[in-house]
Amino acid sequence: QVQLQQSGPGLVKPSQTLSLTCAISGDSVFSTSAAWNWIRQSPSRGLEWLGRTYYRSKWYNEYTVSVKSRITMNPHTSKNQFSLQLNSVTPEDTAMYYCARGYVDRGLDVWGQGTTVTVSS
Amino acid sequence: QSVLTQPPSVSAAPGQKVTISCSGSSSNIGNNYVSWYQHLPGTAPKLLIYDNNKRPSGIPDRFSGSKSVTSATLGITGLQTGDEADYYCGTWDSSQNAGVFGGGTKLTVL
Repeated sequence: QVQLQQSGPGLVKPSQTLSLTCAISGDSVFSTSAAWNWIRQSPSRGLEWLGRTYYRSKWYNEYTVSVKSRITMNPHTSKNQFSLQLNSVTPEDTAMYYCARGYVDRGLDVWGQGTTVTVSS
Repeated sequence: QSVLTQPPSVSAAPGQKVTISCSGSSSNIGNNYVSWYQHLPGTAPKLLIYDNNKRPSGIPDRFSGSKSVTSATLGITGLQTGDEADYYCGTWDSSQNAGVFGGGTKLTVL
């Protein structure tokens, strides 16, 4: 069965970069039907889709407008992983971050365990 | 402000039925598939409904989904105390070229 295992620091200082990784088992980051997503959840904003990376003969990235200038997602093909980098973080970026596998018609069907990220000095 | 609009809260007694609405537009719900997620505190969100009205393996038929034009509805029958959670609708927005969620609905089983 497909599993996603997240890793990365839970505390980031303001103005620094948040970096998280999601390791895939049971599927491939090269899947030509799935997309690999990052979502965050906070009490004030609920669920917020951040972006996705996917492979369709070449790599594509799509990001939500609110963080587009600060976000980068990359596949790490040799390790079957994908990552999230969010630059210039502020306390507003404090949230639970999730990675998830998604399909156009099947929704986000497999989720990572979540990483609580706090932005604080 | 979320792109998709859900009521902040709904409540009903055990054994009863509840519906949760999700309102959008032609750029999202109107032309894309809707999913529904259950989020219990301390756990990852769980896919309840995909492709507007389909249930993944293991999701009981007490949960149902429907879609009409630019709105979607999640129905839950035979409410149990374990159904108390936040519920989110989600879809793709073709004009923003981004995934979008509703603001979430907190279900209380009285």
